[in-house]
Amino acid sequence: EAQVTQNPRYLITVTGKKLTVTCSQNMNHEYMSWYRQDPGLGLRQIYYSMNVEVTDKGDVPEGYKVSRKEKRNFPLILESPSPNQTSLYFCASTFFSGSFDGYTFGSGTRLTVV
Amino acid sequence: GQQLNQSPQSMFIQEGEDVSMNCTSSSIFNTWLWYKQDPGEGPVLLIALYKAGELTSNGRLTAQFGITRKDSFLNISASIPSDVGIYFCAGLSASGTYKYIFGTGTRLKVLA
Repeated sequence: EAQVTQNPRYLITVTGKKLTVTCSQNMNHEYMSWYRQDPGLGLRQIYYSMNVEVTDKGDVPEGYKVSRKEKRNFPLILESPSPNQTSLYFCASTFFSGSFDGYTFGSGTRLTVV
Repeated sequence: GQQLNQSPQSMFIQEGEDVSMNCTSSSIFNTWLWYKQDPGEGPVLLIALYKAGELTSNGRLTAQFGITRKDSFLNISASIPSDVGIYFCAGLSASGTYKYIFGTGTRLKVLA
């Protein structure tokens, strides 16, 4: 089944403790992206990657890192999480063919930083 | 960062009624997408629009790409309880940045 898999689904952590949210897709998509969803603000892009070893900042990149060493994986790293990073996070992927098709989204990771 | 203006923010309707929502921007877009998000899940693509003026249907859903390329509309006919959820528009900017910009969402509740 074609899908984007995120782990974990739920995570509660403490301020300053480094964490990684994994994202993997099995559709051979070039383009992958991370979003955070907050009430009243919709989906805001954190980082995106147009292919292996090519990443770029989205609208809200502060406090986050990403890497794209393999085409299928695009982990989101929070080196020193803070309470304002409490949010619902989505990984998404799509083909990058010059005319974009819609994203396939993962099921989300609900992160709470205390 | 840039966001799309989506309205209404929320709506309560009776089962069987038609629903309309829209998205507007001050910028031009090359692609408009409409997604639905069920509680506890990621958004799922409903309709994609690629040309100004394009009108596309998917079952009871119909969406249009505005002529000015700055807006899009989604209509749901004869709503049913499973239509409940959050509907997002998304636009791919014509500026060449390869970034989708999402609307803030319309929360739909259907009363049986």
